[in-house]
Amino acid sequence: EDQVTQSPEALRLQEGESSSLNCSYTVSGLRGLFWYRQDPGKGPEFLFTLYSAGEEKEKERLKATLTKKESFLHITAPKPEDSATYLCAVQVGNFNKFYFGSGTKLNVKP
Amino acid sequence: EPEVTQTPSHQVTQMGQEVILRCVPISNHLYFYWYRQILGQKVEFLVSFYNNEISEKSEIFDDQFSVERPDGSNFTLKIRSTKLEDSAMYFCASRDRGGSYEQYFGPGTRLTVT
Repeated sequence: EDQVTQSPEALRLQEGESSSLNCSYTVSGLRGLFWYRQDPGKGPEFLFTLYSAGEEKEKERLKATLTKKESFLHITAPKPEDSATYLCAVQVGNFNKFYFGSGTKLNVKP
Repeated sequence: EPEVTQTPSHQVTQMGQEVILRCVPISNHLYFYWYRQILGQKVEFLVSFYNNEISEKSEIFDDQFSVERPDGSNFTLKIRSTKLEDSAMYFCASRDRGGSYEQYFGPGTRLTVT
């Protein structure tokens, strides 16, 4: 049973066209939710950690939010260099293990 | 900026052979991880390691896998008898003791089992 589900699987945007990516989770005892960016052939690159419902984090054109059931990664006025796969992951309780979603592949056209 | 490094970048091996994948975590980090990503699939947790012992492992991490921190800098993943289905990208990650839990990933080793 998937604990982390991301949608959509793929998203094509025009440069400047804002949108949101979704990460829903079904775990109980969430310790933290993490967003990563992954470029082709590379390892995930850390973006944000969110710990509690209502929390928000921002970095340049990205803003991550968290509710009790899901997280959103909002991309404002994206640029072609924002094209990548965006992954979310959760840590449950005090366990030192992390579950990743399948990712959203974002393609921003100039 | 400190980074996690992994060697080799690509390893080709025959089925049944043993392979060792090597990682050098960021120097002041204390928690170490291995993940794998089969082509086109999600990143899957294999094992976490802290204080010279395994702290968590997934159901994927069976008896054919082992991890070791042989010295103060390296962290290795050994696959004893490789199978075709072990072909994947293997990522090492590390984090420090702080409460942020953010992990820093290496560039990965692509393992191809023929």
